[in-house]
Amino acid sequence: EVQLVESGGGLVQPGRSLRLSCAASGFTFDDYAMHWVRQAPGKGLEWVSGISWNSGSIGYADSVRGRFTITRDNAKNSLYLQMNSLRIEDTALYYCAKGWDGYNSVDYWGQGILITVSS
Amino acid sequence: DIQMTQSPSSLSASVGDRVTITCRASQDIRNFLAWFQQKPGKAPKSLIYAASSLHSGVPSKFSGSGSGTDFTLTISSLQPEDSATYYCQQYNSYPLTFGGGTRVEIK
Repeated sequence: EVQLVESGGGLVQPGRSLRLSCAASGFTFDDYAMHWVRQAPGKGLEWVSGISWNSGSIGYADSVRGRFTITRDNAKNSLYLQMNSLRIEDTALYYCAKGWDGYNSVDYWGQGILITVSS
Repeated sequence: DIQMTQSPSSLSASVGDRVTITCRASQDIRNFLAWFQQKPGKAPKSLIYAASSLHSGVPSKFSGSGSGTDFTLTISSLQPEDSATYYCQQYNSYPLTFGGGTRVEIK
């Protein structure tokens, strides 16, 4: 059974940093791309960042480029999102999602972790 | 960036109705289009990839079609459990982008 478990969320002040983690199990982690998707309260889905199986291809949303960094550790079956210079508008539920077809579609999602940026 | 426009933003239909949601891309995305279902308080569920291929376990009442810039998601016979918000997403190129969502309600 595929499981994606996010951790590292919480309340943080504007301008500070936070690191999210996603622990993956139930599949061969280093065969698939991985993504972060967020959802602000009451809003729609927003793709944040994605990383290929070997970290050779990485992408970011315009809203986070230069502030967020996605990485993965295939030996630990883990995905990370380093979030720096956090803004109030980064407040959202952050989902980890597993890639599917060798491109950038996704099939499985974690349950999400809440990040609240507030003073 | 590629903009994804969904319509309608919401709809209300009766049990048994055929429901169609459209998604338009601002440029050609070939068939790199996915559909997701999200119920309140839950993580999204992946329904369709490559515009028309159903993920494992997704009921056949869901179908997708289209290529290039125009796509549709159809629910052939709406059931109460289909009440949710549906999103399209292009994954042709970074940055990936979602449509604004379509809220489907049961009359």
